[in-house]
Amino acid sequence: NAGVTQTPKFQVLKTGQSMTLQCAQDMNHEYMSWYRQDPGMGLRLIHYSVGAGITDQGEVPNGYNVSRSTTEDFPLRLLSAAPSQTSVYFCASSYLVGQGHEQYFGPGTRLTVT
Amino acid sequence: GQQVMQIPQYQHVQEGEDFTTYCNSSTTLSNIQWYKQRPGGHPVFLIQLVKSGEVKKQKRLTFQFGEAKKNSSLHITATQTTDVGTYFCAIGANTDKLIFGTGTRLQVFP
Repeated sequence: NAGVTQTPKFQVLKTGQSMTLQCAQDMNHEYMSWYRQDPGMGLRLIHYSVGAGITDQGEVPNGYNVSRSTTEDFPLRLLSAAPSQTSVYFCASSYLVGQGHEQYFGPGTRLTVT
Repeated sequence: GQQVMQIPQYQHVQEGEDFTTYCNSSTTLSNIQWYKQRPGGHPVFLIQLVKSGEVKKQKRLTFQFGEAKKNSSLHITATQTTDVGTYFCAIGANTDKLIFGTGTRLQVFP
């Protein structure tokens, strides 16, 4: 099993550009989520999904969209990148819904917006 | 929304010294998880605590869940350079959301 994979590893965007961060898992996990990590802020939940076709907002959803058309994939879209979105983005998945189950994290995508 | 406070933010210790990080919540928790993130890496699950007053050990790591289920601690005995990293606690904000603390960054000097 590859576990949770994320692409790209690094990305530089100009303000106003859009892009999609890819996340995939091959563990048949129902629950998937996106976090951003900034220095001194810990991990903040952006969006999460409890299954294909179902998504919901986390703590900091503004400026991001998600969809979950399959169990395996959970892409994160930046609609119009802003310097405040410079961060490290982690995707995570778990076998069952949300809290109470071990989260498996991907390696992260380091995004810089200039 | 539900929040969890984690202290201290940073801790520098000499190799062989002990280390403790604490998580505190204003509300009663159903469970709490602990993760470790090595520098440049991703968070890795360490353990989950569920029962009031629960104590679990993993080699030199001791995890405790408070009697009131509002706080938790992670204690490392005789730190080693391999313990370097950031330790996070994580709580369930509701059935679906997992909220992380701000983390404690541990630096160990040889």
